Amino acid sequence: AQSVTQLDSQVPVFEEAPVELRCNYSSSVSVYLFWYVQYPNQGLQLLLKYLSGSTLVKGINGFEAEFNKSQTSFHLRKPSVHISDTAEYFCAVSEYSSASKIIFGSGTRLSIRP
Amino acid sequence: NAGVTQTPKFQVLKTGQSMTLQCAQDMNHEYMSWYRQDPGMGLRLIHYSVGAGITDQGEVPNGYNVSRSTTEDFPLRLLSAAPSQTSVYFCASTEIPPGNGYTFGSGTRLTVV
Repeated sequence: AQSVTQLDSQVPVFEEAPVELRCNYSSSVSVYLFWYVQYPNQGLQLLLKYLSGSTLVKGINGFEAEFNKSQTSFHLRKPSVHISDTAEYFCAVSEYSSASKIIFGSGTRLSIRP
Repeated sequence: NAGVTQTPKFQVLKTGQSMTLQCAQDMNHEYMSWYRQDPGMGLRLIHYSVGAGITDQGEVPNGYNVSRSTTEDFPLRLLSAAPSQTSVYFCASTEIPPGNGYTFGSGTRLTVV
């Protein structure tokens, strides 16, 4: 069965600084990988996804993530953050064989300081 | 272009009461699921369905029932509410396989007193 670990529960950064949110997964089969963002008091919005092909995936709002199969990681990055990026970010995995069942990590709260 | 619609948005229940959280999607998605979100615990899968007439348990199914009589609707039933079920509940849907990711509803904030 798949599982997801987000290594940092909170990440504080200064505005315009780069940020990396870490995600590791565990699975014995091929997987789809996702990052979702949740702004305060809202639902979840898809940020980006890895299905197959190029390991560097670009998403909305300037975010990107890199799939590393050997390290079973899918870290999220942004070269320069803005105050509006303050939110909680969730990594998620779905096994090819699981008929779309998706498991989420516990989330990373990104706080941006001016 | 409604996507996933959840009702109600807020609900307060007394311990032992029952209620149904409604979820409807208009994207003809085969897969639908319910999650609960609690502080520090991310989203935990309660139940899911891969099509009409088919449901299965997720990580935390106890205390909840579901049914899937149509492709569009996937209601979540609490038969006898407990304070431990105080949470924010999200419904989500996707195709099989999930090539476009999940579409989430806006959530139901449930308080059991």
